[in-house]
Amino acid sequence: DAKTTQPPSMDCAEGRAANLPCNHSTISGNEYVYWYRQIHSQGPQYIIHGLKNNETNEMASLIITEDRKSSTLILPHATLRDTAVYYCIVGYDKVIFGPGTSLSVIP
Amino acid sequence: GAGVSQTPSNKVTEKGKYVELRCDPISGHTALYWYRQSLGQGPEFLIYFQGTGAADDSGLPNDRFFAVRPEGSVSTLKIQRTERGDSAMYLCASSLTGRLGDEQYFGPGTRLTVT
Repeated sequence: DAKTTQPPSMDCAEGRAANLPCNHSTISGNEYVYWYRQIHSQGPQYIIHGLKNNETNEMASLIITEDRKSSTLILPHATLRDTAVYYCIVGYDKVIFGPGTSLSVIP
Repeated sequence: GAGVSQTPSNKVTEKGKYVELRCDPISGHTALYWYRQSLGQGPEFLIYFQGTGAADDSGLPNDRFFAVRPEGSVSTLKIQRTERGDSAMYLCASSLTGRLGDEQYFGPGTRLTVT
């Protein structure tokens, strides 16, 4: 499974868009990009996934570059409840978590 | 509907004892996964079931760890001769098919403490 690189931490002002980057330069042709998040003391929560095209759902948008070597998760209007560790994962059936990005939404 | 449930929520055991951790997946989900998470780390993959069979057990750290899913629904993670290093949060997840692009739904976890 391909590895990902994410910044260890980020801050975002409440109400602003949070843009979380992820590099996955060794991704192979049919590996998906998944994003999960984990709020303190809870199990991880699925956010969104994509293969080649940009995706949007009620939680977030996922922008994947044309060469698929990087992606950005966008939370359009961050709230305090979005403070969590965000994991970017690429792979097939099993999900291999890295250390993720700890996002702090600041009032 | 009901999500993934795990029991017990907390388990304290003495070094050398045997423990069983239970996972009830979402009804109808054929794929089930076990992870282990230490403080400050991302979840670490242990094993993945497709139906009753273990499709990938490459993450089990050693032969003290074993998991079963005899009827393709509930799964039990078994740890023999527990060690203090086994202390962690054990997470279970399920997905509808386990195929490409299928999202995983996680349970709240079992916190295991080995004293």
